[in-house]
This record gives sequence, C-alpha cells and structure tokens, in this order.
Amino acid sequence: DVKVTQSSRYLVKRTGEKVFLECVQDMDHENMFWYRQDPGLGLRLIYFSYDVKMKEKGDIPEGYSVSREKKERFSLILESASTNQTSMYLCASRLQGATGNTIYFGEGSWLTVV
Amino acid sequence: AQTVTQSQPEMSVQEAETVTLSCTYDTSESDYYLFWYKQPPSRQMILVIRQEAYKQQNATENRFSVNFQKAAKSFSLKISDSQLGDAAMYFCAYRALLASAQGGSEKLVFGKGTKLTVNP
Repeated sequence: DVKVTQSSRYLVKRTGEKVFLECVQDMDHENMFWYRQDPGLGLRLIYFSYDVKMKEKGDIPEGYSVSREKKERFSLILESASTNQTSMYLCASRLQGATGNTIYFGEGSWLTVV
Repeated sequence: AQTVTQSQPEMSVQEAETVTLSCTYDTSESDYYLFWYKQPPSRQMILVIRQEAYKQQNATENRFSVNFQKAAKSFSLKISDSQLGDAAMYFCAYRALLASAQGGSEKLVFGKGTKLTVNP
C-alpha cells in the first residue's frame, strides 16, 4: 500500500520559533508537495519538489522554505512561525511521468502558533 | 490560471438516497484531468474518482459517478445509496501542468470543498 507519513500530527509552537514539518513517502515518487488547508479556502500549494534537491514555489510560499535532500523525505520549514501560519498542513507525493498519476496524501499536521 | 469552484459549502442527504455535489472549473487546456477527493474526519485525503477530459464516457466507481460536461466546464459528483461512511469533506480538483518544472510535473488545484452530512 502507498504510504505518505507526516511524523507530527499535532504541534503547538510559539511565535518566532523555527518549525520543521517532516514528510516521508515509501513509493519512490519523484514529486512531493506541501499544501496548506484552511476552512473556506480549500487546499493551497506552498511548495513542491519534482526531484531530489529540486524545489519550486507554489501559490503561497511566503514565510516558508523546504528541503529535499533525499528522495523519500520532503521537509517544510517555517523560519519564524507566526500566528497566521496556524493551519493544517498536508504533504503529498506523486510518481512523475504519465500525466494524471494519482497524488497521494499524508494524514496532515495540525500546527497551532501561539 | 486554472480555477475550481464548488458552490455548495454544505450538503446533506438521507441515508440510502442520492446526492449530487457540484463543481465547475476554468481552463484553457484541451486535455486535462479532474478528480474528486474525499476527506473524512480522520483527515486522510482519499481519491474517489478521476475523469480524463478526452474521454466522453463519464467515470464510475461503484456508488460514485460523475457528470462531466466539457463544454460547460462542469464536473459534478453523484453519490448513490448514500451511507453514513460517506460523510466527509469533498474536494473537486483539477490537474494543472507545472510548466516551470522539468519533466512536466503536475499539481492539483482544489476547490474550497463541500461538507457532506449523511442523516440516518
């Protein structure tokens, strides 16, 4: 079975802290994504990576950075957390190649910044 | 840029009955993919059904089917014989090519979601 694992399901951080959200997939997928989900706004793409050490900005990259040192792991970094980054964060991965390949999601990480 | 619109923030249905969730999208592409994802309270996003735009036949997966109207850019989801386990947020999504990425990578553009309640 396909598996995308987000190690932290619930986090509470203070304003100004550096926050790492980790995501690991076991399917040898090239493409990985970080989305943010907010009520009434749906899912919005923060960053994606199409391969190791490759990254591209999504629709809302401000205040975030990412790291992809190994194919299976894609980290989202909040350099200095702010209260408006309180949200649900979803990681996803996809096999590159044939268009329309299914994108698989992790279970999400709830981040509260106080 | 592609956009996806779900005009129904909430819907409800009686168990065993049929419900239709609406979705419209905007694109200039001629070939693309559309998806419906389900997100139950556990938060795991699950693919429900996928439609390829070049296929005229509407996709069907057991109790789930779509009404794909390409000219109208409409992609509605019909759930037949609704079950309590169908209660969830449903997201319509459009596959958009990421032109800046090598190898033609893709992203999903999501609607804002429809919360479906199933009443016993």
